[in-house]
Parts: sequence; structure tokens; C-alpha cells
Amino acid sequence: GQQLNQSPQSMFIQEGEDVSMNCTSSSIFNTWLWYKQDPGEGPVLLIALYKAGELTSNGRLTAQFGITRKDSFLNISASIPSDVGIYFCAGQRVATNKLIFGTGTLLAVQP
Amino acid sequence: EPEVTQTPSHQVTQMGQEVILRCVPISNHLYFYWYRQILGQKVEFLVSFYNNEISEKSEIFDDQFSVERPDGSNFTLKIRSTKLEDSAMYFCASTGDRYEQYFGPGTRLTVT
Repeated sequence: GQQLNQSPQSMFIQEGEDVSMNCTSSSIFNTWLWYKQDPGEGPVLLIALYKAGELTSNGRLTAQFGITRKDSFLNISASIPSDVGIYFCAGQRVATNKLIFGTGTLLAVQP
Repeated sequence: EPEVTQTPSHQVTQMGQEVILRCVPISNHLYFYWYRQILGQKVEFLVSFYNNEISEKSEIFDDQFSVERPDGSNFTLKIRSTKLEDSAMYFCASTGDRYEQYFGPGTRLTVT
């Protein structure tokens, strides 16, 4: 089946540090989405990417759609304690609406 | 800001019982989805629904599952005869176009 592998699996950082995580696949995707999930809650959409090479920002978050269309990364600058959570990438292929979710990156931020 | 809502937040049921999970998608959205997340795992697609019919479903979505849009606002997922392995968080999502899916807070289903 289609797999989206995220790395790192977890990160433990100090407040103020920058964070980078990525998502890779053996398949091509036409859309990449990044979500944040807090414990016991639903995924919250952070950024959507639609074109290969696209770089999009949302506040302290920046995400890029890889040129090969098989990967994407998410950067968080100047992390704060409320950035804590699990970050999921999700890909969508052409002619389908379903999202394939990545394995997730757990982010812990120490004040 | 409009959001997807789900009820109940937690459902406990006995194995073999039927459950109905309810969702109210964002009002002007046209595409609706159910996903599930087993504890500690990634989110998995179950089914998508458009124009009053299923547009796509996964292998998880077998004959025990069904979806319905009984009126202009609700979207339901029914599990006819629950199994222990159906215990999970179930998320409803909706989108106004095909791409940006907005998720509800989820229903935690516990099958005993």
C-alpha cells in the first residue's frame, strides 16, 4: 500500500529552537497537507501545498512541496511550548479525494 | 470560524452492538469523509461521500460499515455489529473543494 514515512519520529527541543521534519513516499502526490494533532483531538490543518517546488508559510511555519512530488518538509521557527503535539503530513493523489497520512512526528518543547 | 462537529465525544458499546456516530460538516462543504485512528497510530481513511453516494472506500470499510446523509446537515457512520478491533478514534472531515480537509474533534469508540 501507499506509505508516507515521516522523520524524525520524535523531537525534544528547547523553546526558541527551530524545528525541521520531513515526509517521504515512494509514490507521487499531487497535494501535500500538514496537520497538527493534540492528544485526544482531531487533526488541525496547518498548511496546504499544491504544486511541486511550492514554498508556503503560515506564521512561524514554512512547508515545501518537493520537486520530485514524493516528499515535503515542514519547518517551525522559534518554537514555543504550545507547538507541542504530533505533526502529520498527508498526501493526496490525482483522481482520489482520500488522504494518506504519514506516521507522525512527536514534538516536545521544553520551556 | 465554521468547524466540523461530532457527537458523541465518547461512545462505549458491547461487542456485537450497533453504533451510530454523528457529524455535522461545515455548512457549505460538499465532500465528506470518515477516518479512524487506532490509539498511537496514524490516521486511516475509511470512506468519502459526495452527492449522496460513496465516492471511495478503503478495505477497512467492509459490509459492517455504512454512511448516510439523512438530512441537509448531518453525516453519519454506522457500524452494524461492533468488534473489539473497531475501538478507535473516528474522525469526520469535510471539504468545499477536493483538497483541504477539515477534521472534527473525533468520537472515541470503545468496544468491550
